[in-house]
Amino acid sequence: KAGVTQTPRYLIKTRGQQVTLSCSPISGHRSVSWYQQTPGQGLQFLFEYFSETQRNKGNFPGRFSGRQFSNSRSEMNVSTLELGDSALYLCASSRTGTGNTGELFFGEGSRLTVL
Amino acid sequence: SQQGEEDPQALSIQEGENATMNCSYKTSINNLQWYRQNSGRGLVHLILIRSNEREKHSGRLRVTLDTSKKSSSLLITASRAADTASYFCATGNRLAFGKGNQVVVIP
Repeated sequence: KAGVTQTPRYLIKTRGQQVTLSCSPISGHRSVSWYQQTPGQGLQFLFEYFSETQRNKGNFPGRFSGRQFSNSRSEMNVSTLELGDSALYLCASSRTGTGNTGELFFGEGSRLTVL
Repeated sequence: SQQGEEDPQALSIQEGENATMNCSYKTSINNLQWYRQNSGRGLVHLILIRSNEREKHSGRLRVTLDTSKKSSSLLITASRAADTASYFCATGNRLAFGKGNQVVVIP
């Protein structure tokens, strides 16, 4: 069974640009969550999608957005990039959603560097 | 919101020793999960303990949960170099993660 796939793995952008990251969950998983990881702030929850609907949202500005497609694949977009957006962006999938029941399965992440 | 907070932040031990790390949280939970992250990679689920459980084992891992103190501990017995990683606890519907415990196992 294939794991969670995130693309691209590495990317470099400049301030003001925008970026789109992609996540393909494990087959059969309907929930996709996104996290931002930085040395200073640790792992912070961005948002969760379940069956194409955003179910939970973290405390991030509107520059961060996401969506989920009918095949459960998800994308997140960051517009008007700032230096502080440099981070490892992790996607996680689960069958039912975060927290209540089972585990999250994480991808290897997309490392974004903003210059 | 719930927040896992691991303690201590960094631990360096010799191979074969045991490693213990703690996690505290602020509100009531349904379950608490521990994850491991090797440098710069994705997180891997280690163990889940439900709120009505006090202790759980998985291989060389032992997790305890004290809901009265809102804390959990993760014990890794007979550590190996491959256990070098960051360990996170997570609670809550959004799986709020702490900042992680960095564990270095010296061969």
